[in-house]
Amino acid sequence: QQQVKQSPQSLIVQKGGIPIINCAYENTAFDYFPWYQQFPGKGPALLIAIRPDVSEKKEGRFTISFNKSAKQFSLHIMDSQPGDSATYFCAASRGRTSYDKVIFGPGTSLSVIP
Amino acid sequence: NAGVTQTPKFRVLKTGQSMTLLCAQDMNHEYMYWYRQDPGMGLRLIHYSVGEGTTAKGEVPDGYNVSRLKKQNFLLGLESAAPSQTSVYFCASSTSSNQPQHFGDGTRLSIL
Repeated sequence: QQQVKQSPQSLIVQKGGIPIINCAYENTAFDYFPWYQQFPGKGPALLIAIRPDVSEKKEGRFTISFNKSAKQFSLHIMDSQPGDSATYFCAASRGRTSYDKVIFGPGTSLSVIP
Repeated sequence: NAGVTQTPKFRVLKTGQSMTLLCAQDMNHEYMYWYRQDPGMGLRLIHYSVGEGTTAKGEVPDGYNVSRLKKQNFLLGLESAAPSQTSVYFCASSTSSNQPQHFGDGTRLSIL
């Protein structure tokens, strides 16, 4: 119930394309769903996050779509650029107790080719 | 604003040696985490802390120990390094479990 599944494992798109990364969770108690972006040699950094009271959140070219009934959420990158080439991790957590942990998906390696 | 700083950035150890990785954060965060990242495995939680003086086991705690004597510091120790502990180690901090985590740039550890 603690697992977060993420697909695809890797993704190659042309510049200007719209890569979509999908995640699924099982624990309905999760109430925070962040996406992290990681460039080679760097630590992950928060990209965008959503809570289950909304179905979509947009920040610049990045959009999270959230389907609470299906227990799925996805990241869309509009007008993708070579600079978006990175590894993307979805995650899920809840804040009910002090010892609740963040559960990360296994990551998606995105390559945007010119 | 330095954020999360990890020391050292690179280290090579021999099997059986011990070492301590240091994580320091200047954001007054209560929560701190140690992860390891291996190819194809994503981020796996080793140990974490929900406040000064507290520690808890994560997904892969065996072979590691931690201490949180000061709020701003979280130490990860390897008592007897093994080749299976070759990895990139990331420290992170946050205000709570469902708030953004701020990561350091990692420590690349090789054990021969």
